[in-house]
Amino acid sequence: SQQGEEDPQALSIQEGENATMNCSYKTSINNLQWYRQNSGRGLVHLILIRSNEREKHSGRLRVTLDTSKKSSSLLITASRAADTASYFCATAPSGNTPLVFGKGTRLSVIA
Amino acid sequence: DAGITQSPRHKVTETGTPVTLRCHQTENHRYMYWYRQDPGHGLRLIHYSYGVKDTDKGEVSDGYSVSRSKTEDFLLTLESATSSQTSVYFCAISESIGLPDTQYFGPGTRLTVL
Repeated sequence: SQQGEEDPQALSIQEGENATMNCSYKTSINNLQWYRQNSGRGLVHLILIRSNEREKHSGRLRVTLDTSKKSSSLLITASRAADTASYFCATAPSGNTPLVFGKGTRLSVIA
Repeated sequence: DAGITQSPRHKVTETGTPVTLRCHQTENHRYMYWYRQDPGHGLRLIHYSYGVKDTDKGEVSDGYSVSRSKTEDFLLTLESATSSQTSVYFCAISESIGLPDTQYFGPGTRLTVL
């Protein structure tokens, strides 16, 4: 069963606006990662946040993690049409077990 | 997709036939994974490998087997394909597992079982 659940399932915004996606998970984790998937392609790693971190930035990406609420958010600032993709959170459960991916948020950025 | 190739990229087959998908990496990463991606289900782990000849089951392993005889190759076999196995299959690799285990994905194989 999926550990992470993204919300919303789909999001449509205008170019230049900010996009926020959320991820909730169920069990304790070592780290949480966000991936992007362009249509017809494999997933690409965007950012990793460790369980002892609360916020992390990478370019126009900002990720927060609240382990007390078992949730994370991904903020993309000043969205561009090229940001149109599906975004997945993936959690690394405690212990040496593989990542568990959510079902993804489909982001459409309209020029 | 750099360093990871999947073959074939597209395949159409008949119900009941065996199918083997191949994942090849040039990164010398220890861990390799097979996922399937279906609408409404996201990405689900089928099997993974933590070394040559060392494999373990994932969430949706029924009907699939894997083999890893060399570090660089990870094969996924559908012994007798069924229509429910129509999907897009992704291979991924990682250097470590758990701490941290960033995964790198191949381009995918689209499999249609008629």
